[in-house]
Amino acid sequence: QKEVEQDPGPLSVPEGAIVSLNCTYSNSAFQYFMWYRQYSRKGPELLMYTYSSGNKEDGRFTAQVDKSSKYISLFIRDSQPSDSATYLCAMSLYFGNEKLTFGTGTRLTIIP
Amino acid sequence: DGGITQSPKYLFRKEGQNVTLSCEQNLNHDAMYWYRQDPGQGLRLIYYSQIVNDFQKGDIAEGYSVSREKKESFPLTVTSAQKNPTAFYLCASSMSEGQYSNQPQHFGDGTRLSIL
Repeated sequence: QKEVEQDPGPLSVPEGAIVSLNCTYSNSAFQYFMWYRQYSRKGPELLMYTYSSGNKEDGRFTAQVDKSSKYISLFIRDSQPSDSATYLCAMSLYFGNEKLTFGTGTRLTIIP
Repeated sequence: DGGITQSPKYLFRKEGQNVTLSCEQNLNHDAMYWYRQDPGQGLRLIYYSQIVNDFQKGDIAEGYSVSREKKESFPLTVTSAQKNPTAFYLCASSMSEGQYSNQPQHFGDGTRLSIL
C-alpha cells in the first residue's frame, strides 16, 4: 500500500463547477500538507500548504485536512479552463522536513 | 525575476553515457532537491542538500550523483549505472533556517531525459 493515495482521474467538469480533489494517507505522523498544481511540461507550482487539521482558504481555493480520517481535500470554486492541470498532494512528517511524500496526481480538465 | 532554472529542457542519453542536468536558483535558498517524476507515480526524491558542500541520498539515489559547490547550483549527473533513466527530472529549493524551519519547496520547470 502506498503511503499517499490519490485518484489519478482524469476528472472532467464544466466551467463554473465546484471541484473536489482528495488524498488519503496511511502515516498518522504526517503534519504538514501541501497542494501543487502542475501544467503540462512544467514544474509543480505550490498552491496551498497547511499545518495539522483544519481549513485554509485562498481565493477560489480551499484546503481541508482531517487528520482523524487521514484525508485531505482541495476545493476549487467557480472553476475556470485555466484550472485544467494535474494536482499533486504532498505531505511531510514535521514542518520543514525535507522529505515530501507525494500523491500520484489527479488530472483535471475544465470544459468551457 | 527570482526563480529556479533547469537546463536543458530536453536531453538525450546514449547507452553507457553520463549526462549532467543543471539547476540554478537565485532565490537565496539554502536547501535544494532533485526529484524524478514517472507516469503514474508520485515525485520521488533522488538527492537533497541543506547546505553548501553537503548532500544526502534520497529514496532512489542509486545511479545518480550530485555536487553542491555553490549555494545557487545543484547539478545532477545521471550515470551509466542508472538503467532506467528515462523520466522527467525536477529540481526544487526552499529556505532552511534549521531542521524545523524549512519553507515549502518550489520547483523549476524540469528536464525531460530520454534514451537514444
